[in-house]
Amino acid sequence: DQQVKQNSPSLSVQEGRISILNCDYTNSMFDYFLWYKKYPAEGPTFLISISSIKDKNEDGRFTVFLNKSAKHLSLHIVPSQPGDSAVYFCAASVVYGGATNKLIFGTGTLLAVQP
Amino acid sequence: ETGVTQSPTHLIKTRGQQVTLRCSSQSGHNTVSWYQQALGQGPQFIFQYYREEENGRGNFPPRFSGLQFPNYSSELNVNALELDDSALYLCASRPGRASGGGNIQYFGAGTRLSVL
Repeated sequence: DQQVKQNSPSLSVQEGRISILNCDYTNSMFDYFLWYKKYPAEGPTFLISISSIKDKNEDGRFTVFLNKSAKHLSLHIVPSQPGDSAVYFCAASVVYGGATNKLIFGTGTLLAVQP
Repeated sequence: ETGVTQSPTHLIKTRGQQVTLRCSSQSGHNTVSWYQQALGQGPQFIFQYYREEENGRGNFPPRFSGLQFPNYSSELNVNALELDDSALYLCASRPGRASGGGNIQYFGAGTRLSVL
């Protein structure tokens, strides 16, 4: 079952405008949520995270919002830049077996920022 | 500070063969995880190693196995390759074992495996 879902395979935004990437999850046991950015031929690069006990985290142009009642999070990029064009993965962290933690990823959203 | 490095970059194998993929973790990181990313999908957790022992496994069969060495580098071995094993295999490392700090994992660029 898909515990982390990114329902928009792609998003196109004009340079300077806001990009909003969405993610839904089903498991209430997730303790952290993370966003990764991936360029072709590179590994995923960590962008920003948020604890499940928070509802907002901000880092420069990137802000993540968490709505626990809706089991929904979003990544806002303001202002968007052409260099932001990449695939963005939402990931959720869960601890199981007492010590093992793993990341569960969504299927990704391809963001294209048009100059 | 050296990041996570993986080798080889690309690999072509035939069905039934065995393959070994390698990963050097980021300096100071003693926990390594492996993920499989099929085309159009997000990475899926295979297993995690901490201090040379497997301490968690995803929904992958036993023909997927691994090792971690005293210097925290790691190998992923896949036996009896199947066509569906064609994917990007990602290695990720993090300091420590538990989930403190948000479980931020640092990924290598991956090995692209094609099974013909």
